[in-house]
Amino acid sequence: EAQVTQNPRYLITVTGKKLTVTCSQNMNHEYMSWYRQDPGLGLRQIYYSMNVEVTDKGDVPEGYKVSRKEKRNFPLILESPSPNQTSLYFCASAVESSYEQYFGPGTRLTVT
Amino acid sequence: AQKITQTQPGMFVQEKEAVTLDCTYDTSDPSYGLFWYKQPSSGEMIFLIYQGSYDQQNATEGRYSLNFQKARKSANLVISASQLGDSAMYFCAMRDWELTGGGNKLTFGTGTQLKVEL
Repeated sequence: EAQVTQNPRYLITVTGKKLTVTCSQNMNHEYMSWYRQDPGLGLRQIYYSMNVEVTDKGDVPEGYKVSRKEKRNFPLILESPSPNQTSLYFCASAVESSYEQYFGPGTRLTVT
Repeated sequence: AQKITQTQPGMFVQEKEAVTLDCTYDTSDPSYGLFWYKQPSSGEMIFLIYQGSYDQQNATEGRYSLNFQKARKSANLVISASQLGDSAMYFCAMRDWELTGGGNKLTFGTGTQLKVEL
């Protein structure tokens, strides 16, 4: 089954404690993205990757890091989380030639 | 820069009635795509319907149709015969095909919370 998986699905952590949210897709997609969703703001792109070892900033990259060492994986790293990073995070993957985007199930992060 | 505007934060509709969710967009590029997603309370993003800027006919998918008015830059979602299970947040989004990079970036509106009542 074609899918994008994210782990963990829920996470409560404290300010400053490094964390990683994993994202994996099994469709051999070149493109992968991270979005965050906040009430009243919709979804905003954090980082994206156009292929292995190719990543770039989206609209709200501050406080986040990513890496793309393998085509299937695109982890989101918060080196020093802060309460304003409390949000719902989505990973998505796509191919350039198609309009279809595949979203992961979301990770709800709370930073206290 | 692309922009999506959804002016209805919340809407109510009675079961079996039709409802229109508004979406206007702004882009200077001639080639783009418009999307609608449904987000139930469980949180996942469910793709509903897609309209390309060069598509001549309005897109339809079952009870969903997209009322695409290019000159007005609007892409309203019409849900016919509403069901209780349609209660959810609905997002309009746009992908600009001319945009270099961005990784198939979608620009989202702020969403409309739809509540279907008996």
